[in-house]
Amino acid sequence: ETGVTQSPTHLIKTRGQQVTLRCSSQSGHNTVSWYQQALGQGPQFIFQYYREEENGRGNFPPRFSGLQFPNYSSELNVNALELDDSALYLCASSPGDRGSETQYFGPGTRLLVL
Amino acid sequence: AQTVTQSQPEMSVQEAETVTLSCTYDTSESDYYLFWYKQPPSRQMILVIRQEAYKQQNATENRFSVNFQKAAKSFSLKISDSQLGDAAMYFCAFDTSGTYKYIFGTGTRLKVLA
Repeated sequence: ETGVTQSPTHLIKTRGQQVTLRCSSQSGHNTVSWYQQALGQGPQFIFQYYREEENGRGNFPPRFSGLQFPNYSSELNVNALELDDSALYLCASSPGDRGSETQYFGPGTRLLVL
Repeated sequence: AQTVTQSQPEMSVQEAETVTLSCTYDTSESDYYLFWYKQPPSRQMILVIRQEAYKQQNATENRFSVNFQKAAKSFSLKISDSQLGDAAMYFCAFDTSGTYKYIFGTGTRLKVLA
């Protein structure tokens, strides 16, 4: 295992609702990145947080937002859910915002929007 | 913009045989990293092998090796002595300058036949 945990494992919401997904990074890892993996696709980069500040965003609208806390935990919030938001959401932690090490991925939260 | 292409949606290999998964990428950057990740069904994505672009020597990890052709922007993964446990989705990923903001390909599903 990678030492990165996510909760919940599965979630069902209806269109228009809001959702919060949680991630616990490896201890000492200051960077967390979030990815959306639609069914049958590769993960897509949503955004990254480094030392509690957003440090880059992919092509996702502002209704996708995040928080990172000093205790190596983080959240992904999605407002006004749409059907296309149904996906596996992965978080990944790394020791810094730049380096040659790999990221360590969590098991993901599978979100279904009805 | 960087792109990663995996042209083989699915591959099959007999147990104990060798299989090669293909990946091509496009970038104008000179400093980057390439990865192969394995995602077993309902399990965490784990790193298989990593290659730094500035290194000419191909990376090797036990039964896994890469053929990194920088000029051709090709990064294939060779799995030798395939085992049943190798069955999974394999994703090729690109990272510019070690920013941990990965770009993934669409994946190759590997089936290992007993």
